[in-house]
Amino acid sequence: AQSVTQLGSHVSVSEGALVLLRCNYSSSVPPYLFWYVQYPNQGLQLLLKYTSAATLVKGINGFEAEFKKSETSFHLTKPSAHMSDAAEYFCAVSEPGAGSYQLTFGKGTKLSVIP
Amino acid sequence: ETGVTQSPTHLIKTRGQQVTLRCSSQSGHNTVSWYQQALGQGPQFIFQYYREEENGRGNFPPRFSGLQFPNYSSELNVNALELDDSALYLCATTRGGVQETQYFGPGTRLLVL
Repeated sequence: AQSVTQLGSHVSVSEGALVLLRCNYSSSVPPYLFWYVQYPNQGLQLLLKYTSAATLVKGINGFEAEFKKSETSFHLTKPSAHMSDAAEYFCAVSEPGAGSYQLTFGKGTKLSVIP
Repeated sequence: ETGVTQSPTHLIKTRGQQVTLRCSSQSGHNTVSWYQQALGQGPQFIFQYYREEENGRGNFPPRFSGLQFPNYSSELNVNALELDDSALYLCATTRGGVQETQYFGPGTRLLVL
């Protein structure tokens, strides 16, 4: 069974400050890991994904995440927050192979950016 | 723009009724997954269809069923609606393969009264 824990349901940062959203996972097999963003009244947009290649993954809009097997973590970072980054962020895990698109999501972290 | 559309955008039903939600995707997207997102929660996997066959199911009862059609559209059917079925329903499609992206539609918001 897989699970995802996102630490902090709500994170606030100042514009220009570092964004750090935390994600820890549990999986019985080497996982695939994803970060999605959801803007109000919209679907999910993929920011980045880890599929067992490079452990540091770069995504869209300046976001990146590092897979740390020893810590079972996949934290999302961005060096400098922008007002347009205010949204809800979801970390997700899946199994390689046939289940690679059957995602288990965390409960989400709502990011607020203070001008 | 993801190329994935869902209809209707909003829907109100009464407990005990049946509902059909629709999803249309890009040509070649032969894998579709459906998710339920309750208010304030992350999406939960309902089931997945590949080439018109169900090939994965989450922890949802049989009253949640689906269909996938050759024209890359799909349906989610829910019978005997319960109040807890109120949620945003998302479909996601892909051509498959590790390097392919899964695209989510904007969702259908269902309210059960």
